[in-house]
Amino acid sequence: DSGVTQTPKHLITATGQRVTLRCSPRSGDLSVYWYQQSLDQGLQFLIQYYNGEERAKGNILERFSAQQFPDLHSELNLSSLELGDSALYFCASSVGQGHTGELFFGEGSRLTVL
Amino acid sequence: AQKITQTQPGMFVQEKEAVTLDCTYDTSDPSYGLFWYKQPSSGEMIFLIYQGSYDQQNATEGRYSLNFQKARKSANLVISASQLGDSAMYFCAMRPGPSGNTPLVFGKGTRLSVIA
Repeated sequence: DSGVTQTPKHLITATGQRVTLRCSPRSGDLSVYWYQQSLDQGLQFLIQYYNGEERAKGNILERFSAQQFPDLHSELNLSSLELGDSALYFCASSVGQGHTGELFFGEGSRLTVL
Repeated sequence: AQKITQTQPGMFVQEKEAVTLDCTYDTSDPSYGLFWYKQPSSGEMIFLIYQGSYDQQNATEGRYSLNFQKARKSANLVISASQLGDSAMYFCAMRPGPSGNTPLVFGKGTRLSVIA
């Protein structure tokens, strides 16, 4: 158990809909990262938050948005969903500064868009 | 741009044998970190091993060792005495730069199948 909690584990929805994925980082971790893993692909970095502020942005679509709340949990909002958004979405957390940068991953949220 | 290349989409290894999974990286940062993660069929990402760019010795963690060749920009994972439970996807990743507060860049992975 990595200590990172993601909900829901599975989600099936229709094109055009909006979903919210939730992540609770490990206790004490200030950084939260979101990654997308499509079928047979590596992990694509979407966005990072550090202590409530956006720190880095990757290949995140404009239809997607995220935030980190004062209690450090994070949400990833996916809207106007398309078939190609079907993927495994990972949240990961890390201590932040002064560390190797190892990421601790949640079990992922598997999104299926029909 | 920072990039990780894993050239072996899939590999087979006999149980109890050793196997090497290849990883090359590209970065202009003098300080960086290299990681290997395992993803079983259940989907979770499991951290295996870490190597810092300034570490003098190759990292080892149990049956896992990282063959770090800095001049060649390679960071191959060696798994000794393979077990059936080692069957999984393996991802090489890099932390570009010295800060531990940086997103990791991942390769596309290698699917390892261990045969009894």
